[in-house]
Amino acid sequence: GAVVSQHPSRVICKSGTSVKIECRSLDFQATTMFWYRQFPKQSLMLMATSNEGSKATYEQGVEKDKFLINHASLTLSTLTVTSAHPEDSSFYICSALGAAGEKLFFGSGTQLSVL
Amino acid sequence: AQTVTQSQPEMSVQEAETVTLSCTYDTSENNYYLFWYKQPPSRQMILVIRQEAYKQQNATENRFSVNFQKAAKSFSLKISDSQLGDTAMYFCAFMKEYNQGGKLIFGQGTELSVKP
Repeated sequence: GAVVSQHPSRVICKSGTSVKIECRSLDFQATTMFWYRQFPKQSLMLMATSNEGSKATYEQGVEKDKFLINHASLTLSTLTVTSAHPEDSSFYICSALGAAGEKLFFGSGTQLSVL
Repeated sequence: AQTVTQSQPEMSVQEAETVTLSCTYDTSENNYYLFWYKQPPSRQMILVIRQEAYKQQNATENRFSVNFQKAAKSFSLKISDSQLGDTAMYFCAFMKEYNQGGKLIFGQGTELSVKP
């Protein structure tokens, strides 16, 4: 079956630094990728939708200058948390929509801890 | 805007018994998809079952089945012969048709514990 690879699985960084998270579709082309954020014991909240070759669409309340999303190819989307603060500590999950548009696959998630 | 509501934050069931998780949603769309996802302690999202709104027949996947009531906007998940490995968070989710973006809206989740 289709696989979405997300890296790193866990990252610890100092406050003020930037962290990049990658989401790759390994055996299919993903025209659209989604980034979610999940706090402990809570649901997944959609942060943004990225389409290959165009600017990401951010959900209301999500700072686009803080959470930079790039979808430069049909197999790779990246989320960069800029100037990270402790309140950005969370579990981030990506998902990818196949080009055929009928299947959605999730990455394994990234636990970000900002000290 | 679409909303998804899971009113049971936690549930428990004895191994081998049956449990039903509730989900209601609100939408003005006529065609859409509904999903149940399982998130075990590993936090990998695993698709349990999918229902297309235009299909009247309830979806089934082995021990998992749904009761889809379109008029009532209800979409419950029944787990039969519960197993210890079913212990996880379960999320109900809504999606407009795939060609309208593929965005999933999740409910709050239900934490299911299967007890030996």
